[in-house]
Order: sequence, then structure tokens, then C-alpha cells
Amino acid sequence: QSVLTQTPSTSGTPGQRVTISCSGNSSNIGNNTVNWYQQLPGTAPKLLIYRNNQRPSGVPDRFSGSKSGASASLAINGLQSDDEADYYCAAWDDSLNGPRFGTGTKVTVL
Amino acid sequence: QVQLVQSGAEVKKPGSSVRVSCKASGDFFSTYTINWVRQAPGQGLEWMGRIIPTLDIANYAQKFQDRLRITADKSTNTAYMELTSLRSEDTAVYYCARKQTFDIWGQGTMVTVSS
Repeated sequence: QSVLTQTPSTSGTPGQRVTISCSGNSSNIGNNTVNWYQQLPGTAPKLLIYRNNQRPSGVPDRFSGSKSGASASLAINGLQSDDEADYYCAAWDDSLNGPRFGTGTKVTVL
Repeated sequence: QVQLVQSGAEVKKPGSSVRVSCKASGDFFSTYTINWVRQAPGQGLEWMGRIIPTLDIANYAQKFQDRLRITADKSTNTAYMELTSLRSEDTAVYYCARKQTFDIWGQGTMVTVSS
């Protein structure tokens, strides 16, 4: 079964830069675009990045996305306490014939 | 303001069914795909299926193919997710979300399956 694998957790101090990776294969990231979502505790996910590196209106430019081959990354510059959340990548999966979500990364602000 | 508003929490017995609604504000409803995603307690996000209201076409993740039905009522701008033969593992928060990018999400509906 295809899985989008993310590091379970990462942390940083305010002002630091953190990156979150998302590893897939040719049936998902390798052949389709990647979106990223932020889920604050107890709330619904929020779209953070779409089509690999596009930010929806209202999302700060501290957040950036990139993709290379079958992997993608989300970078958070100038980490803030409000950024403490779970982050999920997602990509269409040809074998699922639907979108597949990553395993999720918990970001802790120290 | 465009938003998706879901129905309230449900408690169901194993073997029963649940129906969750997702009402869209604004005039975009028929134009875009509505997805259903669930999140078990402490777990990640899982896509279940979607519907294109204007075409009334739904497709489902294979895992749910036999017991999931997604419908849409264009007259009320409301999408529905019905899951049958519930078991304890279906206990989760169920979300609706718009478009392939999931750009707008409902607030979530907690479904608890317990005897």
C-alpha cells in the first residue's frame, strides 16, 4: 500500500527555521502535485500550500513548499508559538484513485 | 463568507448507520467537488470519497466501497455522507472539504460507535 511518510515530530525555538519532509512514490508525489495542511489542536485542517509551492490568500510567506521527484518539503521560517500544530502533506494517488494524506508531523515550539 | 457547516455529533451502536450532512454557503456548491475525510482519535487523516454535485457522480476509496454512500442535494446546497455497518473502528471525526485541494473544511462531526 502506498504511504506518504512524514517524520512523526520536530521542534524548534521561536525564530528558527524548521522543515518537514514527505516521502512518497511514483503513484503519488512522483506524478502529482502536493498540498500541505496545518491542523491546530482541536480544529479542522487548514490549507497551507497547494500545487507544491502556492500559498492561499492569507497564509504568511513564512510558509513555503517544494517538491523534488517523489518527495516534498514544507519549510517554516521564523517559527512562532502559533505554529505549534500537526502538519499533513497530501497528493493524488493513482493507485487509490483518490487523494492520500501523509502520516503527519507534530511541530512543537520550545 | 464561503463555509461548510456540518451536522452535530452522533453516538451509534455497532451495526447501525450514520448520516452526516455538510451544508455549503454561497453559490459554489454545484461547481466543486465535496470530499469526506475522517480522523480517528489521535490518528491522521483518511480520505473516504467525494462527489461532484453538478454531475451527481461519487467515487469512493476501495476500503469503504461496500458501506459508504455520498450524495448531494443541489436544491439545499447540502452534501451527505452515510456509513453503514458501523463498528468501533469507525469512531472518528468526519470532515467534509471542498475541491481537490481541500481549500475549505467543515468544522467536523464526531461519530462515536459504542455498545
